[in-house]
Amino acid sequence: DADVTQTPRNRITKTGKRIMLECSQTKGHDRMYWYRQDPGLGLRLIYYSFDVKDINKGEISDGYSVSRQAQAKFSLSLESAIPNQTALYFCATSGQGSHEQYFGPGTRLTVT
Amino acid sequence: SQELEQSPQSLIVQEGKNLTINCTSSKTLYGLYWYKQKYGEGLIFLMMLQKGGEEKSHEKITAKLDEKKQQSSLHITASQPSHAGIYLCGADHHSGGGADGLTFGKGTHLIIQP
Repeated sequence: DADVTQTPRNRITKTGKRIMLECSQTKGHDRMYWYRQDPGLGLRLIYYSFDVKDINKGEISDGYSVSRQAQAKFSLSLESAIPNQTALYFCATSGQGSHEQYFGPGTRLTVT
Repeated sequence: SQELEQSPQSLIVQEGKNLTINCTSSKTLYGLYWYKQKYGEGLIFLMMLQKGGEEKSHEKITAKLDEKKQQSSLHITASQPSHAGIYLCGADHHSGGGADGLTFGKGTHLIIQP
């Protein structure tokens, strides 16, 4: 079983709709991250969390919100989706003292 | 601003040939991470470099970090079809061991021709 899972894997939604992307991990890591990937732009950090009570904005947090429901769960919400939020979204985790980030399989989101 | 530049953007190499991908940072690197991504899939961790002059190898892939800790290269020897994909470098520009997230380059698309 995958250590970092993301749901849904694919989603098409309309402009103005609220959507939530979910991430779960079984690695027991404290740190969790949300990135988006756009063609030609690489990955950019949206939000990250060191633990349930510690949430931090990344490079491109506008238009997004997050919730760390438990150590193992970190969800990303788009309150009112817009077409330029069409992208591939990745969740990642890392443990204290470890530098490696483990990535989920990604969620492909299309906003029409 | 582009703090991390990767080159080339794309690379087509004949199977069996060697290749090099470069990653240059505008800031000092506290850690440099190499990942591989198959198209539309998640990232697979390859290697992490921290010390100036450090070099690591795994199978036919070697990564180096220069002495000034601002440039890294990824070298593949005798390329195979399984090496095809997108290679991304990720930088830790803070001393927190990547805790604040990584800054990624735009990626290098590698195609291996038979």
